[in-house]
Amino acid sequence: DTAVSQTPKYLVTQMGNDKSIKCEQNLGHDTMYWYKQDSKKFLKIMFSYNNKELIINETVPNRFSPKSPDKAHLNLHINSLELGDSAVYFCASSHRDRGDTQYFGPGTRLTVL
Amino acid sequence: QKEVEQDPGPLSVPEGAIVSLNCTYSNSAFQYFMWYRQYSRKGPELLMYTYSSGNKEDGRFTAQVDKSSKYISLFIRDSQPSDSATYLCAMIFYSGSARQLTFGSGTQLTVLP
Repeated sequence: DTAVSQTPKYLVTQMGNDKSIKCEQNLGHDTMYWYKQDSKKFLKIMFSYNNKELIINETVPNRFSPKSPDKAHLNLHINSLELGDSAVYFCASSHRDRGDTQYFGPGTRLTVL
Repeated sequence: QKEVEQDPGPLSVPEGAIVSLNCTYSNSAFQYFMWYRQYSRKGPELLMYTYSSGNKEDGRFTAQVDKSSKYISLFIRDSQPSDSATYLCAMIFYSGSARQLTFGSGTQLTVLP
């Protein structure tokens, strides 16, 4: 009965490759998010998305794109990976009626070589 | 100036100590305040959620909000080695259908047995 799941847990790839990370939530939440956490533990929101609106953090390069096949899924696609993309990526979900409390997935540790 | 500033730590205390974790913020529009705990190699999990000035207790944890001073704190009584983690403050405000969610940079806490 995992609430927010994401795959893969670890991803090691070469510079220039394209990769995707998948996220699913079974909480019935209306909004999903992608966060990037760097080595200093700073958690930066990249995108928030509900079925009406995609909000993009203006600092996120356009090589990153979220794709949502339905309300329970929000995948993250990354083109032309760079060394600086190495980080832990967390998916989260929330519902405005429940105060937008964030429920986080376990994270995907991306290493770009 | 960042919108949310969090005491960076790291913080190391002996078992049984009272721990105080603090965040200040500059935007008086923030309405809801949260504390998350993140164990190593895990996603953040919600500890406390408050929306009004004053104190809120949950077991050994007390969340304090002072909106006039734009200051929030998390107190941990009788700290245990299992409390060793990174603690992140977060806050939200809503403007119509838009929401702004901002995290602090995190404070790493180690409780020594």
